[in-house]
Amino acid sequence: NAGVTQTPKFQVLKTGQSMTLQCAQDMNHEYMSWYRQDPGMGLRLIHYSVGAGITDQGEVPNGYNVSRSTTEDFPLRLLSAAPSQTSVYFCASSAGGPIRTYNSPLHFGNGTRLTVT
Amino acid sequence: AQKVTQAQTEISVVEKEDVTLDCVYETRDTTYYLFWYKQPPSGELVFLIRRNSFDEQNEISGRYSWNFQKSTSSFNFTITASQVVDSAVYFCALSYDNDMRFGAGTRLTVKP
Repeated sequence: NAGVTQTPKFQVLKTGQSMTLQCAQDMNHEYMSWYRQDPGMGLRLIHYSVGAGITDQGEVPNGYNVSRSTTEDFPLRLLSAAPSQTSVYFCASSAGGPIRTYNSPLHFGNGTRLTVT
Repeated sequence: AQKVTQAQTEISVVEKEDVTLDCVYETRDTTYYLFWYKQPPSGELVFLIRRNSFDEQNEISGRYSWNFQKSTSSFNFTITASQVVDSAVYFCALSYDNDMRFGAGTRLTVKP
């Protein structure tokens, strides 16, 4: 039972480089989201999607892009990496759809630790 | 604004002690959900409990219990007879619309 799978687990980038963090889930969840975790700040929402073809911004979207072409996949793109994007990134999914899904717990991937030098 | 405050940054106890993790939230919504998640040293995030805003019953699950009080906007988490395996960072979260707002987390260390 795979759940939410994130790749890679670790990544080091130089300032200005771009990359894509991959996220896939096999639970047929409509809702998917990306969070970043920084010390002392908990988790903050970057972008989310309530279904294929639908994405929206969260609390800290600047510097990141997402797309949702399938129900299973929700990649996060860093357009031009900056040291401020050094963080641990978590992908999550939950049951529900375009209606409000706030009653469903999130299922998290194992995280990607990103360092930007 | 939606906000979750976990004032205790770090707590250290000795095994078998009881410990309470505090969570205070702010919201203008009348319908919302509160969650607790555990992040052990291995780094994954594990869902522990969900409580909706209309259900103020306390919940007990083994050594874990949760006290939800709308009057004080609090959703506290108590571990009874703590064990070393309880050592983790615990996050309280408030869910509304399509966002889930997390507190900064409380790092609990249980010493043998």
